[in-house]
Amino acid sequence: GAGVSQSPSNKVTEKGKDVELRCDPISGHTALYWYRQSLGQGLEFLIYFQGNSAPDKSGLPSDRFSAERTGGSVSTLTIQRTQQEDSAVYLCASSLGGMLAYEQYFGPGTRLTVT
Amino acid sequence: ELKVEQNPLFLSMQEGKNYTIYCNYSTTSDRLYWYRQDPGKSLESLFVLLSNGAVKQEGRLMASLDTKARLSTLHITAAVHDLSATYFCAVDITGNTPLVFGKGTRLSVIA
Repeated sequence: GAGVSQSPSNKVTEKGKDVELRCDPISGHTALYWYRQSLGQGLEFLIYFQGNSAPDKSGLPSDRFSAERTGGSVSTLTIQRTQQEDSAVYLCASSLGGMLAYEQYFGPGTRLTVT
Repeated sequence: ELKVEQNPLFLSMQEGKNYTIYCNYSTTSDRLYWYRQDPGKSLESLFVLLSNGAVKQEGRLMASLDTKARLSTLHITAAVHDLSATYFCAVDITGNTPLVFGKGTRLSVIA
């Protein structure tokens, strides 16, 4: 079946512009995660959605970052007024979300370059 | 705060040799994951370890978990070039929570 998909695969933007990154989780997966992978920081958690619960935003690095998940499926991560330190690969993952179904499946990522 | 440490961070090994990658974590958990990442690619799930003493094997890779020691190992047997990649371990506290990753071990298998 289809895996997690993300778009765009690559994004180059100028400092100060806003960007939107999209994630389509695996159908039926109720849990959705955003992570960021950069050379200096490794893989770090950003935000987590589980069903209709309020998202866990504890990993967002600043208030320039926000995310939403519409209809319990597609998620969009928005970065406002991008900075060069935002350059990284943004990875989305999803899981079934049940008590025994927590394995996370990762998408191909969006490579963001801020110039 | 949960911390996950891997070592070594870089590993160059000859084909046919055996080696072990170690993953230590700081907080009680019985859920540990191993992922593989090829250059420019996303993360591929290798193993999910869910209890103390869990051992899983796939081909030349074997992973184990000791929750009392808060230690997991990824053992490579008779390495081949195709195993060259970066390997990450990750831990979550209760399941369906964000993963905390180690910094990864970049493995290079040379002839």
